[in-house]
Amino acid sequence: DAGITQSPRYKITETGRQVTLMCHQTWSHSYMFWYRQDLGHGLRLIYYSAAADITDKGEVPDGYVVSRSKTENFPLTLESATRSQTSVYFCASSDRGRGIAGANVLTFGAGSRLTVL
Amino acid sequence: GESVGLHLPTLSVQEGDNSIINCAYSNSASDYFIWYKQESGKGPQFIIDIRSNMDKRQGQRVTVLLNKTVKHLSLQIAATQPGDSAVYFCAVGVFGNEKLTFGTGTRLTIIP
Repeated sequence: DAGITQSPRYKITETGRQVTLMCHQTWSHSYMFWYRQDLGHGLRLIYYSAAADITDKGEVPDGYVVSRSKTENFPLTLESATRSQTSVYFCASSDRGRGIAGANVLTFGAGSRLTVL
Repeated sequence: GESVGLHLPTLSVQEGDNSIINCAYSNSASDYFIWYKQESGKGPQFIIDIRSNMDKRQGQRVTVLLNKTVKHLSLQIAATQPGDSAVYFCAVGVFGNEKLTFGTGTRLTIIP
């Protein structure tokens, strides 16, 4: 979707390095999310944010840091990358009203494939 | 917590036939269910959703069925087309709660 962009799309880094994955949305959606996708695990929630300056942990937050100083941006930082963080990372924003009875529906970015050597 | 599983990791269907993808969930408090489609190299895309006060909901060539008694939902795709080849995920949650639990996905392959 053109309204939510992730960068970089591909990243190779080494164990111990800091990596930041960027996410930008143009809809002014309140909620934003970071998921990781691994074979056999589906999508697992890392962190989410209800609004600027409000963030909360998801299912697998360890080793990750997020911030949300502006509504449109939600960067994800791996402070010291490990091999277990090799994954495809998806950012999403929540679109209230698009689902049944006004339910929020996640709209995903194209993903960032991260390889940690 | 919630756990979500899919009955088959892969499914192959002849073009033009109907396909059914299944999903089971564990938490009886879950009342909101969504299906997403993920094509190769892309993020998941919303297909259809349903709430627990419904048993069935139809969209364009897709139908979602919900059986709350056995905690099972399915996605039916009618008259499959090559563009339907993708990985399909069900996601389960509580209506109004932003956090969803995703299944592991079923890869649907349409055979020409």
